Amino acid sequence: QKEVEQDPGPLSVPEGAIVSLNCTYSNSAFQYFMWYRQYSRKGPELLMYTYSSGNKEDGRFTAQVDKSSKYISLFIRDSQPSDSATYLCAMSAGFQKLVFGTGTRLLVSP
Amino acid sequence: DADVTQTPRNRITKTGKRIMLECSQTKGHDRMYWYRQDPGLGLRLIYYSFDVKDINKGEISDGYSVSRQAQAKFSLSLESAIPNQTALYFCATSDSGYTDQAFFGQGTRLTVV
Repeated sequence: QKEVEQDPGPLSVPEGAIVSLNCTYSNSAFQYFMWYRQYSRKGPELLMYTYSSGNKEDGRFTAQVDKSSKYISLFIRDSQPSDSATYLCAMSAGFQKLVFGTGTRLLVSP
Repeated sequence: DADVTQTPRNRITKTGKRIMLECSQTKGHDRMYWYRQDPGLGLRLIYYSFDVKDINKGEISDGYSVSRQAQAKFSLSLESAIPNQTALYFCATSDSGYTDQAFFGQGTRLTVV
């Protein structure tokens, strides 16, 4: 079993939809959680960073962590075609290497 | 200019050849990483370095070596390239105070024929 599981998609939605992206994990020591966005032929860029459980909001993006269920989510409100990309979750136990999910490809159609 | 620069961006090489991928950064970070990305497998860590004198193997280091020439430079070598090393390679950096936030280069697409 992988430490971090993420549905590869693709997830196709119409413009304006609310998007929900999710990851599950098995290592209860993880306490730092991140979402990266990767456009085609580009490097991943950090989108959201969360410590421990709870929610964090940044514009149209909300990151949610539920440590009791070992489940993290990224919500995108009012999705735009420019949000079309691969979204990777990543997590760590602190001061150690990141463990990445395989990424979910999102397609937002106009 | 990009904060994390990888060269070359694309490379085709033959089986058995030695090849070096280079990474330089202007972020002033002390920690540097090399990852490889394959479809369906995500990002896997090859090597990482927490400072110039510190080099550590990641989960898939066999067939690779690295050199940390300076705080800002970290190179990855394939001593004798093989076709299953065909992949997208990324260099990343992080600050020791915020280790979990990594910043990536644009990637090197390597094809071994």
